[in-house]
Amino acid sequence: QSALTQPPSASGSPGQSVTISCTGTSSDVGGYNYVSWYQQHPGKAPKLMIYEVNKRPSGVPDRFSGSKSGNTASLIVSGLQAEDEADYYCSSYAGSYSLVFGGGTKLTVL
Amino acid sequence: QVQLVESGGGLVKPGGSLRLSCAASGFTFSDYYMSWIRQAPGKGLEWVSNIRGSGSTIFSADSVKGRFTISRDNAKNSLYLQMNSLRPGDTAVYYCARFRGFCTGGTCYSNYFDYWGQGTLVTVSS
Repeated sequence: QSALTQPPSASGSPGQSVTISCTGTSSDVGGYNYVSWYQQHPGKAPKLMIYEVNKRPSGVPDRFSGSKSGNTASLIVSGLQAEDEADYYCSSYAGSYSLVFGGGTKLTVL
Repeated sequence: QVQLVESGGGLVKPGGSLRLSCAASGFTFSDYYMSWIRQAPGKGLEWVSNIRGSGSTIFSADSVKGRFTISRDNAKNSLYLQMNSLRPGDTAVYYCARFRGFCTGGTCYSNYFDYWGQGTLVTVSS
């Protein structure tokens, strides 16, 4: 299974919105509504931010949202805050009982 | 509250073996699929393996099939990863995670990890 494609970096100023893309194929992102997003601060474990494309677990701020169009999923962070600076990873079901992650995007709050 | 605590990592020579453990608490362990996910130093996440709540079904990434075996002991609320024929490319932090989803009829549904442990570092080097 090939990793999903994410931009290596993204940035925005406090209060702005930023979108992180996650591109796969019709065999993973495009074939299933099972995309999830994880936030990882340096030296910490990943934290679930979005699941099933656009659902938010309790406790995750509503500044975080998700969407999908075709083979590309997106994580949108609005009203950027300093604590949002972290690495973000997407993941998708890839068929045949397998899962695949993206390469990760480093989000910088300017 | 859900807690996952990994242990068993360390330095091992190429070709060697290691067994990782994950102690779970705060939820009914046997009701959930569990997973191992790894992260090489400075790299992204890679799914390794899933196991059904009963232990009856296992799914693994092609990169570890035939070398790594996931297992669980529901009486001890513990998850394991037996790693054999280790290679330098297996060097990574290994995370234990609770998998939310279920697999039946040739596919899996939901497919996300809602709780993660802090990880244990495995270094494969001579």
